[in-house]
Amino acid sequence: ETGVTQSPTHLIKTRGQQVTLRCSSQSGHNTVSWYQQALGQGPQFIFQYYREEENGRGNFPPRFSGLQFPNYSSELNVNALELDDSALYLCASSNRDISYEQYFGPGTRLTVT
Amino acid sequence: KNEVEQSPQNLTAQEGEFITINCSYSVGISALHWLQQHPGGGIVSLFMLSSGKKKHGRLIATINIQEKHSSLHITASHPRDSAVYICAVRSGMNYGGSQGNLIFGKGTKLSVKP
Repeated sequence: ETGVTQSPTHLIKTRGQQVTLRCSSQSGHNTVSWYQQALGQGPQFIFQYYREEENGRGNFPPRFSGLQFPNYSSELNVNALELDDSALYLCASSNRDISYEQYFGPGTRLTVT
Repeated sequence: KNEVEQSPQNLTAQEGEFITINCSYSVGISALHWLQQHPGGGIVSLFMLSSGKKKHGRLIATINIQEKHSSLHITASHPRDSAVYICAVRSGMNYGGSQGNLIFGKGTKLSVKP
């Protein structure tokens, strides 16, 4: 059984560009949540996908969007990058039909210059 | 005011010391998580609890639902315990329109010196 994986590990982008981050959920999981963690802060909820549908969203603008695929892997897309988007992006997978316990990936460190 | 507050923010201890990290929250919850984050970012779940006390090795987590407070204790601390410890709560109500999502504290950075 493989755990939650994320790619890429690190990424440097320029302000105004677009970025796609990827998350492969743990085997048997149907739910992926995305979080943004700024330096020195706790993670903040971006949105959740459950069985390919967005199922809740935190206080993030529409330029943060996502997708979940039939194999339950997920993407986070951020358009028109701003300097404040520099953060660690974490995804966590779970099987909401069984438990709310979430398993975290290692994160993607995004730097916007 | 944050919905989840942790104290202290930073903690330095000598190897072998007993450590306590505190977490207070202001929302109704269905469960509380203690997480460990090492440099580089990866988060590991230590405990999920909704009442009472749990123990795993040298780690003990307690929660008092009435007082909206939880503590994480580390007995006989070791330099490998050095990490950021994060308290997160799962709201009892739909948060952000979804269930099961977590509201995080800012974390407590623990450094254990040999």
